[in-house]
Amino acid sequence: EPEVTQTPSHQVTQMGQEVILRCVPISNHLYFYWYRQILGQKVEFLVSFYNNEISEKSEIFDDQFSVERPDGSNFTLKIRSTKLEDSAMYFCASSGQGPSYEQYFGPGTRLTVT
Amino acid sequence: ILNVEQSPQSLHVQEGDSTNFTCSFPSSNFYALHWYRWETAKSPEALFVMTLNGDEKKKGRISATLNTKEGYSYLYIKGSQPEDSATYLCAFLIKAAGNKLTFGGGTRVLVKP
Repeated sequence: EPEVTQTPSHQVTQMGQEVILRCVPISNHLYFYWYRQILGQKVEFLVSFYNNEISEKSEIFDDQFSVERPDGSNFTLKIRSTKLEDSAMYFCASSGQGPSYEQYFGPGTRLTVT
Repeated sequence: ILNVEQSPQSLHVQEGDSTNFTCSFPSSNFYALHWYRWETAKSPEALFVMTLNGDEKKKGRISATLNTKEGYSYLYIKGSQPEDSATYLCAFLIKAAGNKLTFGGGTRVLVKP
């Protein structure tokens, strides 16, 4: 069964450094998402991406964040200058056409900012 | 601010017993409700996408109902097994919001043999 994959599974970085989290969505999916979960809190939406542009973003997704689909298979989340409060589990997801389609989640990347 | 709440936060169930828990969400601007099953260190697994008031969906021993007018959904597990131990998440979707899911805090279910 097709699945969403994410790399790395765990990333440790120093405050102020740039990180890129990578995802390979399911190949015939059209919508791509990033969510995150800070320890002890709810899973929260960051951004959705469709037709090579952002379709929706949350207030968390400020200028420090960017997304890209560089080659038609990968989907990346870049954090330009990490802060301690960016430490979280980051999930990538993808779905087919339309909001009533299931979103398939990857296993997550645990980001630790020190 | 959209609030999706799940109760209880955690649940201990004896193997073989049935159980249920709740997700409550705003009744306005409803488009869909998603249920996920999430085991530690694995990807959240989609269980159901529910869109119509009165919907009932079933997958094996797990089923869900939806009441969009009063803003709640129940998830039922019949004859719980140890492999049902997981966190169950619901997520609310508003139309025309980039398919953005707003999650509840989850119900952690532990099935004791």
